[in-house]
Amino acid sequence: GNSVTQMEGPVTLSEEAFLTINCTYTATGYPSLFWYVQYPGEGLQLLLKATKADDKGSNKGFEATYRKETTSFHLEKGSVQVSDSAVYFCALASGGGADGLTFGKGTHLIIQP
Amino acid sequence: DTEVTQTPKHLVMGMTNKKSLKCEQHMGHRAMYWYKQKAKKPPELMFVYSYEKLSINESVPSRFSPECPNSSLLNLHLHALQPEDSALYLCASSPPGRTNTEAFFGQGTRLTVV
Repeated sequence: GNSVTQMEGPVTLSEEAFLTINCTYTATGYPSLFWYVQYPGEGLQLLLKATKADDKGSNKGFEATYRKETTSFHLEKGSVQVSDSAVYFCALASGGGADGLTFGKGTHLIIQP
Repeated sequence: DTEVTQTPKHLVMGMTNKKSLKCEQHMGHRAMYWYKQKAKKPPELMFVYSYEKLSINESVPSRFSPECPNSSLLNLHLHALQPEDSALYLCASSPPGRTNTEAFFGQGTRLTVV
């Protein structure tokens, strides 16, 4: 079956530090990959996505590249802000139909001023 | 309109109550989902509706009863819940005709069962 593995944290960084959150996956076929962000008390927001190998998704300074050879989709940002503090979920969609998303366990990111 | 709207935002109910959660989207999406999220955990899929038909039921207890009256609305009827059912309930939708597509989530209903 499908699975997503990501570092759980919490990850604590200082403002303007470089961020990497690792994500690896196992899936049948050719999945699409996503990063979602969840702020306290809110739903999930799509941060970025990639639908095929070597695609790079980017949004709000965050980037992730779909690496089929290493089955990875690591999230990076060059300079984090306090407002980036949230829980980040790596997820995949596979199977071709409306089967729902498979999520990683989530990484709690804390940015200190 | 690029939103999925859920009501109510918060709900407190007793174990003998009957209540309903509502979800609405006007993006023309034909797949709609209910997820349950416990604190510090990822969302867990409960139900999937595809073109208004229930296509996936992830072995959810019968005290949760989904309904899709039309392509824009999704309800979750609740009856005789247990305290352990307290959680954030998230509705999501995804576009038709595309494979392995992303889902768009609502803000959720925070449910407390007392």
